[in-house]
Amino acid sequence: GDSVTQMEGPVTLSEEAFLTINCTYTATGYPSLFWYVQYPGEGLQLLLKATKADDKGSNKGFEATYRKETTSFHLEKGSVQVSDSAVYFCALGLGGGYNKLIFGAGTRLAVHP
Amino acid sequence: DTGVSQDPRHKITKRGQNVTFRCDPISEHNRLYWYRQTLGQGPEFLTYFQNEAQLEKSRLLSDRFSAERPKGSFSTLEIQRTEQGDSAMYLCASSGGGGNSGANVLTFGAGSRLTVL
Repeated sequence: GDSVTQMEGPVTLSEEAFLTINCTYTATGYPSLFWYVQYPGEGLQLLLKATKADDKGSNKGFEATYRKETTSFHLEKGSVQVSDSAVYFCALGLGGGYNKLIFGAGTRLAVHP
Repeated sequence: DTGVSQDPRHKITKRGQNVTFRCDPISEHNRLYWYRQTLGQGPEFLTYFQNEAQLEKSRLLSDRFSAERPKGSFSTLEIQRTEQGDSAMYLCASSGGGGNSGANVLTFGAGSRLTVL
């Protein structure tokens, strides 16, 4: 069935370090791919998205490229800040008339000064 | 519009009691979703409404769970005879329709946390 696999956390980095959070997916058809972020005490927020192969989503210095050949959508940021500490969720969106999302288990990121 | 609102934010109940959660979506959104999130896991899909019609229910939604959206605006999720395994965060989300539905963005509420003692 359709599924998303993320690297396990927590990921602990120093400020200004490079971030990669791996995400791979299994899906029939051509899903859209998303990264959502959950800050402590807040709801899930869309970080970025890509709707077709080779699309690159970007926002707030974060980037992810939809790689159909490797079924991946890895999240990257060149220089993390303490304020980026949160839980990051990779998700795939199934079409068919509505947008049902299937989420990965989430990866907790902790950035230290 | 202030986004998706959920109430209550936290509910503590004893096993066997009934609980009800309310979700007020973004007013112009015709699609509404309920998800459940347990500790250390990603959200799991429970059910979906388009306007007042409930179009899909997950196998996770046992007979003790019922969701309604009577006028196509707010929605309620009721859990009858709660069990300790029901303890989780219940998330509501809404989205608009049309276009490439696979790319529509879900806007989530902050969630309602249920603790069953």
